[in-house]
Amino acid sequence: EAQVTQNPRYLITVTGKKLTVTCSQNMNHEYMSWYRQDPGLGLRQIYYSMNVEVTDKGDVPEGYKVSRKEKRNFPLILESPSPNQTSLYFCASSRQTGVGSPLHFGNGTRLTVT
Amino acid sequence: AQSVTQPDIHITVSEGASLELRCNYSYGATPYLFWYVQSPGQGLQLLLKYFSGDTLVQRIKGFEAEFKRSQSSFNLRKPSVHWSDAAEYFCAVGGSGYSTLTFGKGTMLLVSP
Repeated sequence: EAQVTQNPRYLITVTGKKLTVTCSQNMNHEYMSWYRQDPGLGLRQIYYSMNVEVTDKGDVPEGYKVSRKEKRNFPLILESPSPNQTSLYFCASSRQTGVGSPLHFGNGTRLTVT
Repeated sequence: AQSVTQPDIHITVSEGASLELRCNYSYGATPYLFWYVQSPGQGLQLLLKYFSGDTLVQRIKGFEAEFKRSQSSFNLRKPSVHWSDAAEYFCAVGGSGYSTLTFGKGTMLLVSP
């Protein structure tokens, strides 16, 4: 089944403790992206990747890192999480950037930083 | 800069009644417009998309959307709402590159019996 898989689904951590949220897609998609969803703010893009080894900042990149060493994986790294990073995170992928390539979303990771 | 405005945070509609969710966008060139739907505990799923051509986007699951360039709008409609349509709906605008896909803040649809 074609899908975007995020892990974990739920994560509670403490301020300053490094964490990684994994994202994997099995559709051989070139484009991958991370969003955070907050009440009243909708979805905001954190980072995106056009292809392997190519990443760029979205609208809210501060406090986050990503890597794209292989096509299928696009982990989100929080080196020193803070409470304002408590949010619902979504990974998404598409076959390519441009017309006719809809975004496929994972089911989300709910992160709580205390 | 591109932006999307969904003026209604919540909408409650009776089952069987018609629905219209509003979306206004700002984009400097020809926009690519999307409606995504998010059910509780799920990721977003593409509902409709508009790239060019007919301004009335084909129906899926009974939904349709109309692109009006003069009003910078891309409203979502459904003639008769079903209880299973209760979800959050997001409008999004982008250009030829998905790096610039911008989402609205969403409209939560509640369906009453």
